Amino acid sequence: NAGVTQTPKFQVLKTGQSMTLQCAQDMNHNSMYWYRQDPGMGLRLIYYSASEGTTDKGEVPNGYNVSRLNKREFSLRLESAAPSQTSVYFCASSEAGQGGGYTFGSGTRLTVV
Amino acid sequence: QKEVEQDPGPLSVPEGAIVSLNCTYSNSAFQYFMWYRQYSRKGPELLMYTYSSGNKEDGRFTAQVDKSSKYISLFIRDSQPSDSATYLCAMIRSGGYNKLIFGAGTRLAVHP
Repeated sequence: NAGVTQTPKFQVLKTGQSMTLQCAQDMNHNSMYWYRQDPGMGLRLIYYSASEGTTDKGEVPNGYNVSRLNKREFSLRLESAAPSQTSVYFCASSEAGQGGGYTFGSGTRLTVV
Repeated sequence: QKEVEQDPGPLSVPEGAIVSLNCTYSNSAFQYFMWYRQYSRKGPELLMYTYSSGNKEDGRFTAQVDKSSKYISLFIRDSQPSDSATYLCAMIRSGGYNKLIFGAGTRLAVHP
């Protein structure tokens, strides 16, 4: 069981470069999420997709865009990377309305220099 | 002020100790409460899930929710070195589209 798969696992970018973080889930979940995790800050929601075809901003959306490509895939794009976006990024999915039960991927460690 | 407050620790205990981890929150609309465990360089995994006030027990783990005090706890009995991880509390508001709001996480080390 793959669960939630994120690629790449590690990435180093130069300031101003762009990249897309990929996420795919095989659990037929309706909802998908992107979080970033920084020391002492916990996980903060960047964007989420309640269902296929919809996306909404979370707590810290500035500098990011997302695409819900289909039910399985939800990508996160950094158009012009900044050092403040150095973080660990987690994708998660859940069955809408369950009130919990997120499944997380293993994360992407991004460093912007 | 953060919606969910959690002491980041670190917390260091000897093997076999009872561990108490806590979070407080400010929004009375939170109805679903969870604890996630995160090992180093891994994604969080769901450990306990409770709805509204009360206790829930699963093996060595007990989750407590006191909505009147806006306070949740996770107790670990007979702690083991394999319990060494970061523990994150998380909660969802009613009508919150399943969006989890996390505490900062408490780092726990259980030494033999």
